[in-house]
Amino acid sequence: EAQVTQNPRYLITVTGKKLTVTCSQNMNHEYMSWYRQDPGLGLRQIYYSMNVEVTDKGDVPEGYKVSRKEKRNFPLILESPSPNQTSLYFCASSFGMNTEAFFGQGTRLTVV
Amino acid sequence: DQQVKQNSPSLRVQEGRISILNCDYTNSMFDYFLWYKKYPAEGPTFLISISSIKDKNEDGRFTVFLNKSAKHLSLHIVPSQPGDSAVYFCAAPPRSNYKLTFGKGTLLTVNP
Repeated sequence: EAQVTQNPRYLITVTGKKLTVTCSQNMNHEYMSWYRQDPGLGLRQIYYSMNVEVTDKGDVPEGYKVSRKEKRNFPLILESPSPNQTSLYFCASSFGMNTEAFFGQGTRLTVV
Repeated sequence: DQQVKQNSPSLRVQEGRISILNCDYTNSMFDYFLWYKKYPAEGPTFLISISSIKDKNEDGRFTVFLNKSAKHLSLHIVPSQPGDSAVYFCAAPPRSNYKLTFGKGTLLTVNP
């Protein structure tokens, strides 16, 4: 089954404790990206990747890091999480820039 | 500066009637526009797209219209069904990168 898998689905952590949210896709897609969804702000892109070792900033990259060492994986790293990073996060992948993106189920992160 | 705007946060329609969701954009460098639907606790799912060289694309009950001179697109759902109740996002990737921009979304409620 074609899918994008994020882990964990739910995470509560404390300020400053490094964390990683994993994302994996099994569709051999070139493009992957991370989004956060906040009330009243919709979906905002954090980082995107157009291929292995090619990543770039989206609209809200501050406080986040990503890496793309393999085509299927695109982890999101919060080196020092802060409460303003409490949000619902989605990973997505697509075959091309103008083709439909497949989204993961989401990770609800709470930073206290 | 938000390049893709959905100015109606919510819309309520009666089952069987038409739902019209609107989206405006400011950048003429978009070649494609996509609509996504999102249910609570799930990731967004692709609904329908339209190329900038077309003015209409239809898929079953869903039709997207593009008015390039007005920089406006709309999604029509006919007839609306209670299962269509969800948040709808329009999105557009710029021509040269994958910095995908989403609107803030419109919550559609279809009453039985």
